[in-house]
Amino acid sequence: DSGVTQTPKHLITATGQRVTLRCSPRSGDLSVYWYQQSLDQGLQFLIQYYNGEERAKGNILERFSAQQFPDLHSELNLSSLELGDSALYFCASSVPGTGAYNEQFFGPGTRLTVL
Amino acid sequence: GQNIDQPTEMTATEGAIVQINCTYQTSGFNGLFWYQQHAGEAPTFLSYNVLDGLEEKGRFSSFLSRSKGYSYLLLKELQMKDSASYLCAVSPSGGYQKVTFGTGTKLQVIP
Repeated sequence: DSGVTQTPKHLITATGQRVTLRCSPRSGDLSVYWYQQSLDQGLQFLIQYYNGEERAKGNILERFSAQQFPDLHSELNLSSLELGDSALYFCASSVPGTGAYNEQFFGPGTRLTVL
Repeated sequence: GQNIDQPTEMTATEGAIVQINCTYQTSGFNGLFWYQQHAGEAPTFLSYNVLDGLEEKGRFSSFLSRSKGYSYLLLKELQMKDSASYLCAVSPSGGYQKVTFGTGTKLQVIP
């Protein structure tokens, strides 16, 4: 158990809908990262937050948005869902800094299925 | 920018040794991670190399050459449970920067 929690574990929805994925980082971790992993694909970095502020942006679609709240939990919002958005969405957290402190601890993921 | 290359798939025999290579080109480099990911599960940390050389941790060892932009993960005495994807990830220099993951090497261990 990494200490990172994600809810829900599974989500099935229809095209055009909007969903919210939630992540609670490890106690003390200020950075939260979101990744998308489609079937048999690598981890695609979406976005990083540090202490409530956006720090880095990857290949995140305009239909997707995220935020980190004062209690440090984060939400990833996916709207106008398409079939191709079906994937595992991982959240990870880390202690800020360089070197080994950049080690990311991953949550169990949310499996999103868009029908 | 950062570019990371790993073989897509490898197959090895139970009890044998396998080496998974990773090459990278980065604009700034601090260290290199290796993660293990079983299908449908979250990646888990294996190692982190900052200095050149080999670091051993039980059956797993990781090597780094900063000048060559090259790393490998060595798995000894392979077990069936080692069948997984192995992700190489580069940590850039500077604080608060995102780690970039390679696409991973899917290792299949056969009897």
